Amino acid sequence: GEDVEQSLFLSVREGDSSVINCTYTDSSSTYLYWYKQEPGAGLQLLTYIFSNMDMKQDQRLTVLLNKKDKHLSLRIADTQTGDSAIYFCAHAGNNRKLIWGLGTSLAVNP
Amino acid sequence: DAGVIQSPRHEVTEMGQEVTLRCKPISGHDYLFWYRQTMMRGLELLIYFNNNVPIDDSGMPEDRFSAKMPNASFSTLKIQPSEPRDSAVYFCASSHVLNNEQFFGPGTRLTVL
Repeated sequence: GEDVEQSLFLSVREGDSSVINCTYTDSSSTYLYWYKQEPGAGLQLLTYIFSNMDMKQDQRLTVLLNKKDKHLSLRIADTQTGDSAIYFCAHAGNNRKLIWGLGTSLAVNP
Repeated sequence: DAGVIQSPRHEVTEMGQEVTLRCKPISGHDYLFWYRQTMMRGLELLIYFNNNVPIDDSGMPEDRFSAKMPNASFSTLKIQPSEPRDSAVYFCASSHVLNNEQFFGPGTRLTVL
């Protein structure tokens, strides 16, 4: 199977941390991605992680990968109103085809 | 570079009409992808090309959909005849052979009445 599952909605207060979770079924995935989509725009790559890594940190973003449980998470520290968007988890095997989740809509409340 | 360029940004047409969506990938990118996004089904890959050659078109819904890439800087997605259920946002994306980061265009919002 190639399913990617994400919760559809997440609401946080400004300044709190956000954690967006994703599970996938394809154990042969080599790359896992987080993309961000702002209203009326295309998707933009936020960060990615190789399957041989457990964690990757990039400024306010932390990606955690539990390969055994096929679980990927994105933590956004000090969440700002500008972080309000839809966040997509995606993975790829050895070809160029990305398998996408349905996206998690993050709402940041002041 | 201006990024991936798509036209038109919005298209409203009547059922049965032909619709042509256009995409200019980022210069130097070898891969081009066409996606469709709807609330119900999320983001679906329709087809992708490598060096102008279609590699996987298994996501194309039916024979009413066709895509071409006559050269490295231009691709079209055509729907003929269009139906109301084709209403969606259609994205084009491109990537370089050396990595798998896909750069998305702004999308074309298609409404079929």
